[in-house]
Amino acid sequence: AQKITQTQPGMFVQEKEAVTLDCTYDTSDQSYGLFWYKQPSSGEMIFLIYQGSYDEQNATEGRYSLNFQKARKSANLVISASQLGDSAMYFCAMRLYTGGFKTIFGAGTRLFVKA
Amino acid sequence: NAGVTQTPKFQVLKTGQSMTLQCAQDMNHEYMSWYRQDPGMGLRLIHYSVGAGITDQGEVPNGYNVSRSTTEDFPLRLLSAAPSQTSVYFCASSYGRGGTDTQYFGPGTRLTVL
Repeated sequence: AQKITQTQPGMFVQEKEAVTLDCTYDTSDQSYGLFWYKQPSSGEMIFLIYQGSYDEQNATEGRYSLNFQKARKSANLVISASQLGDSAMYFCAMRLYTGGFKTIFGAGTRLFVKA
Repeated sequence: NAGVTQTPKFQVLKTGQSMTLQCAQDMNHEYMSWYRQDPGMGLRLIHYSVGAGITDQGEVPNGYNVSRSTTEDFPLRLLSAAPSQTSVYFCASSYGRGGTDTQYFGPGTRLTVL
């Protein structure tokens, strides 16, 4: 079954520290894309970072990096130097390119950044 | 550049009423999708479209219809609203497959069915 699992319903991190949000995925497809989105309390979905299944290097975007371990089927998001504005819901998602055009989302992790 | 727009932002319906949620994008994206987000859950795909005239079902299509007559617009129709359809609805679009293929989301429509 194609599935995204985020096992941490909530996480706390001290301001200026790094935090890792876990994501594992399940698919038998060889070609797929992995995404992380941020959803602040205002409700909009903000794209953070993308990793293609054939990309050998881990993706980075500013303070965000994606720790991609293909054999383990994990795509963890690392946020360095946390800021108070990072407090939000974070969703991991997988885009599949065969059998249609579908994106599957995990249930999300709520991150709380403490001052 | 407006990106992805959705109207209305909020809507209250009575059980059995029908309505259309509007979605438009001005980025010339081929791919468009509708999702619903229920409290404490991620997004679930309702319907999607890979281009004008082509639509397909996602995970939770029952009770919803879509059509795609133009590249820009992708309306979602609720045929006979039920309380189980109370949710936040997001429309998204993306350019195409491969590369970063990022989905851009609209601001959402919060729907309550009484």
